[in-house]
Amino acid sequence: AQSVTQLGSHVSVSEGALVLLRCNYSSSVPPYLFWYVQYPNQGLQLLLKYTTGATLVKGINGFEAEFKKSETSFHLTKPSAHMSDAAEYFCAVTYSGGGADGLTFGKGTHLIIQP
Amino acid sequence: DTGVSQDPRHKITKRGQNVTFRCDPISEHNRLYWYRQTLGQGPEFLTYFQNEAQLEKSRLLSDRFSAERPKGSFSTLEIQRTEQGDSAMYLCASSSEYPRELGKLFFGSGTQLSVL
Repeated sequence: AQSVTQLGSHVSVSEGALVLLRCNYSSSVPPYLFWYVQYPNQGLQLLLKYTTGATLVKGINGFEAEFKKSETSFHLTKPSAHMSDAAEYFCAVTYSGGGADGLTFGKGTHLIIQP
Repeated sequence: DTGVSQDPRHKITKRGQNVTFRCDPISEHNRLYWYRQTLGQGPEFLTYFQNEAQLEKSRLLSDRFSAERPKGSFSTLEIQRTEQGDSAMYLCASSSEYPRELGKLFFGSGTQLSVL
């Protein structure tokens, strides 16, 4: 079984400040990890993903995340927040081998950008 | 490519009625997923198709729920004898079968169901 935990249902940062959204996972097999973003009135879209290889992965809109196996974490960061980053962010996990299982999502973190 | 489309966007029904939702995936995708999302929660996996075959069903999917993908293209999700607890956003997603695309889902905007 696999699961993800997102710390903080709401995170508020000032425009231009560092964004840090936390995600910890639990998986009995090597995980594939994802961050999805949901803008208001839009469908979820993939921000970035980690499968194998380089543990620091870069995504769209300047976001990046680092897979840390020792900490079972996959935190999402962005050096400088922009007003357009305000959205709901979901961490998700699946695994290889099974190949067809749906993603298991966290509860989400609502990112608020203060002007 | 017009993305994943879902119909209707909103559905209001009375308890006990049956409802059906439709999902049209991205045409070249052979995998199709249904998820349910309630306020303050992440999407919860319901079921998954590869082509026309339903390969996985969550324990969340009670006997009142049925999904089909008759020709491996569009899919329908039917809820019989709706209950107030069925009120949620129902999301459809599609993906490619290629291993490098694992987990890369393209989501529709969802169908918001309200059961009165």
